[in-house]
Amino acid sequence: GIQVEQSPPDLILQEGANSTLRCNFSDSVNNLQWFHQNPWGQLINLFYIPSGTKQNGRLSATTVATERYSLLYISSSQTTDSGVYFCAVGGMDSSYKLIFGSGTRLLVRP
Amino acid sequence: DTEVTQTPKHLVMGMTNKKSLKCEQHMGHRAMYWYKQKAKKPPELMFVYSYEKLSINESVPSRFSPECPNSSLLNLHLHALQPEDSALYLCASSVWREEEQFFGPGTRLTVL
Repeated sequence: GIQVEQSPPDLILQEGANSTLRCNFSDSVNNLQWFHQNPWGQLINLFYIPSGTKQNGRLSATTVATERYSLLYISSSQTTDSGVYFCAVGGMDSSYKLIFGSGTRLLVRP
Repeated sequence: DTEVTQTPKHLVMGMTNKKSLKCEQHMGHRAMYWYKQKAKKPPELMFVYSYEKLSINESVPSRFSPECPNSSLLNLHLHALQPEDSALYLCASSVWREEEQFFGPGTRLTVL
């Protein structure tokens, strides 16, 4: 099955800093989502982005499907950005099934 | 409205108990999912329902029994669970297959 790797596994930032999170995947995908999991466990949809570039406020994402990677950019980070960021992909033959990466654990310090 | 609701938020049960988790969405989505998430791990798919029929069972033990009574409701019946089944159980829905999945807040289950 598809392998999903996220980097870095852990990231500590000072408030106001920018960061880039990376997601590599091993095969072609029909579905790619970025989530933020808050301390209470809620998975919050950030982007549905199987290809292309999207922006939403301080967050943006780019997926280069031909090179099998996606990037999530966080600018001017805030303490409320802390949590775990997951990339999840669905393959061409089983796109029902989201395969999650191991996540990037982000801590933003005031 | 992109809301998936789950009840209860927390559940503590003994190994001989029978309990159920409930998930509801009113977005007209035709695919619904159960995921299990252990601490400090990513979510893992358990079941997929499409048009109220079970389409994927990821080799889940029979002590977990899913049910989809209608297009808006998804249940997960629990019986004779083990302590290692303690986890966060997440429900999700999507319009169809490769469409964006939306997750509920989860049920945090503890098995004593």
